[in-house]
This record gives sequence, structure tokens and C-alpha cells, in this order.
Amino acid sequence: AQSVTQLDSHVSVSEGTPVLLRCNYSSSYSPSLFWYVQHPNKGLQLLLKYTSAATLVKGINGFEAEFKKSETSFHLTKPSAHMSDAAEYFCVVSDPLGDDKIIFGKGTRLHILP
Amino acid sequence: EAGVAQSPRYKIIEKRQSVAFWCNPISGHATLYWYQQILGQGPKLLIQFQNNGVVDDSQLPKDRFSAERLKGVDSTLKIQPAKLEDSAVYLCASSLGFLTDTQYFGPGTRLTVL
Repeated sequence: AQSVTQLDSHVSVSEGTPVLLRCNYSSSYSPSLFWYVQHPNKGLQLLLKYTSAATLVKGINGFEAEFKKSETSFHLTKPSAHMSDAAEYFCVVSDPLGDDKIIFGKGTRLHILP
Repeated sequence: EAGVAQSPRYKIIEKRQSVAFWCNPISGHATLYWYQQILGQGPKLLIQFQNNGVVDDSQLPKDRFSAERLKGVDSTLKIQPAKLEDSAVYLCASSLGFLTDTQYFGPGTRLTVL
């Protein structure tokens, strides 16, 4: 069965500095990987997704993630944090051939310091 | 384009009572998902429909939870009888196709069981 681990429950960065949210996964087959963002009192929204094409995936609002099969990682990065990036971020693994087809991580709360 | 609609937005019930949630997906989306998100955790997939057929309900507590998707459009999720541990946000999402497609989430229904 597949699984996903978000290594940090909370991350704090200063505005204008880089963001790194870490995600490791396990999957028996070829997974699809996603990052979703949940702003306070708003619905979940897709940031970006990897579906076996280019390993470096660019998303909305300047975010990007790199699929590294050898490290089973899909870390989310952004060069310069903005106050509006403060939210909860979820890493998601989807594997049609796995036992649990869609698995969300527990989430990482991103805090932006002025 | 209208988003995923859910109702009610909030519901408070006593344990052992019944409750039902409604979801209207984005027009033309074949796949519909129901998730349970307990406070401080990531969403957990309860059931997934492809048109009006069930694709995956492996994590649905079938002794008390039921769901249906009539005519492959709207869906209802029911809990009968409710337990204290069912307090959570119930999210509905839809996508055009299957697991690699972007999911669009509704605002959720916050259930409190007293």
C-alpha cells in the first residue's frame, strides 16, 4: 500500500525568503503526486501535479516541486515567500494500482513572518 | 464555471441521530469523491464514484455510513447513527476523469456531534 509523509507539521519563514515543504512517499507502482493548498475558510485548491511527465513541475503562485524517484520525495519550493502563502499544504499520492488509491498527507502549516 | 456545491455548511447533531450531506459536482465531471477531514489531519477518502458506480469505498464505515450518486450527478452522504468521533469536515470533490485528474473541492460541511 502506498503512503505519504509530510516531514514538518509547521514551517515558519520570513517574507521574501525561500520556502521548502517536504514530502516523502512510498508506492509500489508509478504514482501520481499532487500538492494542494487550503487557505483559512477556503476550499482545497490544486497547486501542482506530477503524472510521469517532466520531473520538475511548475504550479500556480510561483510554486514548484521536483519528483525524485531515487529519494521517493516530492518537495514543494518557492523562491520568495509572500504573506498570502500562509496556509495549510497537503501532499497527495494517487496510485490506481495500489490498495489505497488516494492518500493525503497530514499537512504542513506554513507561517509567513513579516 | 460554477464550482462544487455542498450543503449544509454546518450541522450540529446529538450522537445516535442521523444526518445527510448533499453535493453537486461541477457539470460534466464524471468522478465524485467524499472525504472526511478530522481537525488537524489530512482528508481521508471515504468513497469515490465514477459516474453513478462506486470505484472505491474501502475506507467507508459501512455499518453507519452510506452514499449514493443518482443519475451520475448529485450525491448524498448519510451517517446513521452518528458517533462523537464522526465530528469532522466532510468534503466533496469532483474531477473530469480518474485519479490523475485535478480534483475540485467544495467548501465542506462541518459536522459537530454532541
